[in-house]
Amino acid sequence: GEQVEQLPSILRVQEGSSASINCSYEDSASNYFPWYKQEPGENPKLIIDIRSNMERKQIQELIVLLDKKAKRFSLHITDTQPGDSAMYFCAASLTGANTGKLTFGHGTILRVHP
Amino acid sequence: EAAVTQSPRNKVAVTGGKVTLSCNQTNNHNNMYWYRQDTGHGLRLIHYSYGAGSTEKGDIPDGYKASRPSQENFSLILELATPSQTSVYFCASGEGDCNQDTQYFGPGTRLLVL
Repeated sequence: GEQVEQLPSILRVQEGSSASINCSYEDSASNYFPWYKQEPGENPKLIIDIRSNMERKQIQELIVLLDKKAKRFSLHITDTQPGDSAMYFCAASLTGANTGKLTFGHGTILRVHP
Repeated sequence: EAAVTQSPRNKVAVTGGKVTLSCNQTNNHNNMYWYRQDTGHGLRLIHYSYGAGSTEKGDIPDGYKASRPSQENFSLILELATPSQTSVYFCASGEGDCNQDTQYFGPGTRLLVL
C-alpha cells in the first residue's frame, strides 16, 4: 500500500517567519494530497489540499507545492502566527469511485514562538 | 461542514472485555473510516466502508471488527480488548468520489484498556 514520509517531526520558528513541512509518497497513482491541522485535544481539520493536475495552490498564508515526478509535496506557511502552532499531517490517496483511502504521514508539531 | 459524532467520548475498559465505539454522520456520505492515533504513528486506518453493509480492512485491522448497518452509522468493535488498543480513535466520513473526497473527522474517542 501507499507509504507517506513526513519531515520534520518537530519544527520551531519565530513569529513572522515561514515554516515548511515536507512529505514524500511511494505510489505514483496517488492523485489527492490533503493537509490537516490538529489542535491539542481536537480532531484533525482540513486546511488545504492539492490534486495531481496542479503544481501549486495557495489559500491566504498557506502554499502547497506538488512535484509528481519526485513524488514529493510540501506545505509552506508564510508569516507564521502563534495561532499556527499545532500538529500538521500530510496525506495521500487515490480518489475515484470506491477509493478515497487516505494514508497519513506521522505528523509535524509546529511551534511558533513570539 | 459535515457533522460527524462519536460515542462514547471517553471509555475505560478491562482487558478481555468487549468494546464498541459508535460513529454517526448526518451528511449522507458514502464512505466512513475508523483511524487510531498514537504518538509517533500519526493516524492509521483500521477499517473503512463504502456504504451500508460494506466493510473493508484498512492498514491495521487485527483485533478489530467493523459494522456499517446504515448510511449514517459505522461501529468499531473490539471483541477482546487489550492494553495495546489504548489509543484515541477517530471516525471520519467522506463522499468518496473523485471530486468530493474530503474527509471530515469526528471529535475522537479516548479509550483506555486496563
